[in-house]
Amino acid sequence: QVQLEESGGGVVPPGKSLRLSCAVSGFSFGNYEMVWVRQAPGRGLQWVATISHDTSQRHYEDSVEDRFVVTRDNAKNTLFLHMNSLRPDDTAVYYCARGRDIDLPFYIFYGLDVWGQGATVTVS
Amino acid sequence: EIVLTQSPATLSLSPGERATLSCRASQSVRDNLAWYQQKPGHPPRLLIYEASNRATGIPARFSGSGSETDFTLTISSLEPEDAAIYFCQQRSNWIFTFGPGTKVHI
Repeated sequence: QVQLEESGGGVVPPGKSLRLSCAVSGFSFGNYEMVWVRQAPGRGLQWVATISHDTSQRHYEDSVEDRFVVTRDNAKNTLFLHMNSLRPDDTAVYYCARGRDIDLPFYIFYGLDVWGQGATVTVS
Repeated sequence: EIVLTQSPATLSLSPGERATLSCRASQSVRDNLAWYQQKPGHPPRLLIYEASNRATGIPARFSGSGSETDFTLTISSLEPEDAAIYFCQQRSNWIFTFGPGTKVHI
């Protein structure tokens, strides 16, 4: 069964750091791009970061650039989001999601087809 | 940055009626558009990818159309369980953006 499970959320004061993990099972993690998406309370979805299957490409939403770092450990089937200098407006549910299978064409958008249940981060 | 706008913001319809949701991009995204359904307390669920392809397990009453800058999600005959917020999303290389969503009341 394909599953993503986030952990590491919590309440942190402004300026502090937090690391989210996303444990993956049921598919070949090393074959997929992965994405972090967040949702502030009562708000819409906001893309946070994308990482390629081999970490050669990492891209960030402007407001988290220079503060957040996305990494992955393909041997341990785990995705991470290292969040530094946290601000109150980073308060959100953070979802990890599965992106493109690298065996499929880059120019076709297959969507984010598997999502975790989310980890809640409160900066206060 | 490509901006997505969705209309209407809210839609109130009865079971069996047809729902038409719009998503407009600030510049061409070709067919690189997806639609998601989200219910309270749950993660988004992929409905449509590449503008018009239903994802695995999605009922046939959901369909997507459009290209370049104008896209539509149609729910042909609403079921009570279709009450949710619907988001569109585009991909431009490694960058994604989401629309603000359309809330569908049944």
